[in-house]
Amino acid sequence: EPEVTQTPSHQVTQMGQEVILRCVPISNHLYFYWYRQILGQKVEFLVSFYNNEISEKSEIFDDQFSVERPDGSNFTLKIRSTKLEDSAMYFCAGAAGVSTGELFFGEGSRLTVL
Amino acid sequence: GQSLEQPSEVTAVEGAIVQINCTYQTSGFYGLSWYQQHDGGAPTFLSYNALDGLEETGRFSSFLSRSDSYGYLLLQELQMKDSASYFCAVRDRASGTYKYIFGTGTRLKVLA
Repeated sequence: EPEVTQTPSHQVTQMGQEVILRCVPISNHLYFYWYRQILGQKVEFLVSFYNNEISEKSEIFDDQFSVERPDGSNFTLKIRSTKLEDSAMYFCAGAAGVSTGELFFGEGSRLTVL
Repeated sequence: GQSLEQPSEVTAVEGAIVQINCTYQTSGFYGLSWYQQHDGGAPTFLSYNALDGLEETGRFSSFLSRSDSYGYLLLQELQMKDSASYFCAVRDRASGTYKYIFGTGTRLKVLA
């Protein structure tokens, strides 16, 4: 069964460093999302991506964040200068369409900022 | 703005039935989904309601009332493996594009 793959599974970084999180979506998906989840809290929307461009950003997704699709298939979420409060699990998710209400999530990348 | 409220925690015994409620406020509502998340894991899709009424998928059922901005997830014949967090999520198009906004989550504890 196809799945969304995320790397790394866990990254530890120093405050102020740049971090790149990677996602390989399911091949027939058209809609893509990044979410984050601070430990024990809810899943928060960061950004959506459709037709090779960002379709919507949340208030969390400030200038420190960027999303790219460098080779037309894989996605990257970059945090330019990490802060302590960026420590969270980051999930990539995708959907083939919008009528089923179903998102397929990757296993997540845990980011720890020291 | 958008908000989804759920009870923070529910406890039930094996074999019982439990209902997890979700009330929402959003200006671009298109449907309500439910996800299960075990500790350390990713959310996995359970059910979706675009229209009012009950959807049944095995031991899980989900209900939606759009006029009341309310839905619930019903879990029957509870098993220990059902211990997890459950999130409702609104498919929203308030800003012109589809996104999913998640609720506050309900931690379900199933006791033997």
